[in-house]
Amino acid sequence: QVQLVESGGGVVQPGRSLRLSCAASGLIFNSHGFHWVRQALGKGLEWVAFIATDGNNKYYADSVKGRFTISRDNSKDTVYLEINSLRAEDTAVYHCARDRGVSWLDSWGQGTLVTVSS
Amino acid sequence: QSALTQPPSVSGSPGQSVTISCTGTSSDVGTYNRVSWYQQPPGAAPKLMIYDVSNRPSGVPDRFSGSKSGNTASLTISGLQAEDEADYYCSSYTSRSTWVFGGGTKLTVL
Repeated sequence: QVQLVESGGGVVQPGRSLRLSCAASGLIFNSHGFHWVRQALGKGLEWVAFIATDGNNKYYADSVKGRFTISRDNSKDTVYLEINSLRAEDTAVYHCARDRGVSWLDSWGQGTLVTVSS
Repeated sequence: QSALTQPPSVSGSPGQSVTISCTGTSSDVGTYNRVSWYQQPPGAAPKLMIYDVSNRPSGVPDRFSGSKSGNTASLTISGLQAEDEADYYCSSYTSRSTWVFGGGTKLTVL
C-alpha cells in the first residue's frame, strides 16, 4: 500500500532555513503529483504547495510564496519542501499527500513537526 | 485565498444524521466539482472520505455522502456512530490552480 514518510522537521531559529523530505513507497512515484499541507497545533489544515508529475508545474499558497520551494526527485521517489526565512507562524506539523486527478489528496503521511523558536 | 467556511462544531446522537456545510465562492466550490472531504481523529493524519463532490473511496462506509449546490458543498453522515467523532475538513481546487481548505468542523457524537 501507499506509504508517505516525512522527515526533516525540528526546532529552528527564526530566519533560518530547513528542508523537509517526503519518501514515498507502494506507488508509481512519477505518475503522481504531490502536496504539502501544514497544521499548526490545535488549528486547521492549511494547503501549502503542489508539484505536478514532471516537476515543472508548481503552485503555492499566497502565505508562503517566495519563501517555500517544492521539488521532487523521481529517481529517489522523494518530494521536498525547502523553507527559507522561517517565521514563528511557520510552526506546524507538515504533511505530504498524494494527489489524484489534480483534485483530491488520497494518501497522507503522518507529518513532521517544525518548531520555529529562538 | 480565504479559507472555505465551515461551522466550528456539529453534534448528533448515535443513529441520527448530521450535515456539515462548506461555503466557498465562484472561484472555487461554485465552479469546480473538485471538492473533497477529510476526516481527522485527534492525533491522526487526515483521511479522505469524499472526492469530487460525491464520490466515496473504497472502504468508506456508504453512511458518508457528499453534495453541492452553488457555492456550498455538504457532507452528510447518516446512522451516526461513536467512531465518527472527529474533525472534518472540506477542500476545493481554485481558479488560481491552488487548493483551499475549510476551517474544520468538530463532530461530537452525544
